[in-house]
Amino acid sequence: SQELEQSPQSLIVQEGKNLTINCTSSKTLYGLYWYKQKYGEGLIFLMMLQKGGEEKSHEKITAKLDEKKQQSSLHITASQPSHAGIYLCGADIAGANSKLTFGKGITLSVRP
Amino acid sequence: SAVISQKPSRDICQRGTSLTIQCQVDSQVTMMFWYRQQPGQSLTLIATANQGSEATYESGFVIDKFPISRPNLTFSTLTVSNMSPEDSSIYLCSARTPGRETQYFGPGTRLLVL
Repeated sequence: SQELEQSPQSLIVQEGKNLTINCTSSKTLYGLYWYKQKYGEGLIFLMMLQKGGEEKSHEKITAKLDEKKQQSSLHITASQPSHAGIYLCGADIAGANSKLTFGKGITLSVRP
Repeated sequence: SAVISQKPSRDICQRGTSLTIQCQVDSQVTMMFWYRQQPGQSLTLIATANQGSEATYESGFVIDKFPISRPNLTFSTLTVSNMSPEDSSIYLCSARTPGRETQYFGPGTRLLVL
């Protein structure tokens, strides 16, 4: 079974709309990383969360890690076509700054 | 921040041959990793490249198929040996320094095996 579940699998929104995507684990997330990937390109680091209840924002993107450190959400305000891509969450689920495990990713399309 | 470059960026190879992918980081990092991203799939960790010692491989990946070198703190290579079409994938190099809040990825090497 997948250790990190991302939902929804894909999302199509109208430009200007807000959206939220999620990343859930049955295990404690010692470090939760959000990345964005354009088709055929590498991963662009967005944010990293470590503490339960932590929230970080960059431009129109806000990421949160719940108090139990088992779920993270990423919220985009007033989406733009430039936000389109694949959003991947990766997590350290073993602790001690070890390797990252990744979810399958969420494909976001933004209609102009 | 760290900038990671990979060579080649893409290649088309014949079945049975081998390809070596190079990864260069512009600053010293303690942890380097190799991932594989098969078409439409997420990232799967192949191995952790250890400086000066043998790499640590994940379940399902073996040294004979994916030999890895890491001669210093900024450089690593991954070889895909005796390739088959199932090896067609994007191979990504990644680097992280414990205690810092970022794990960086290279642009990837797109491999097609015919």
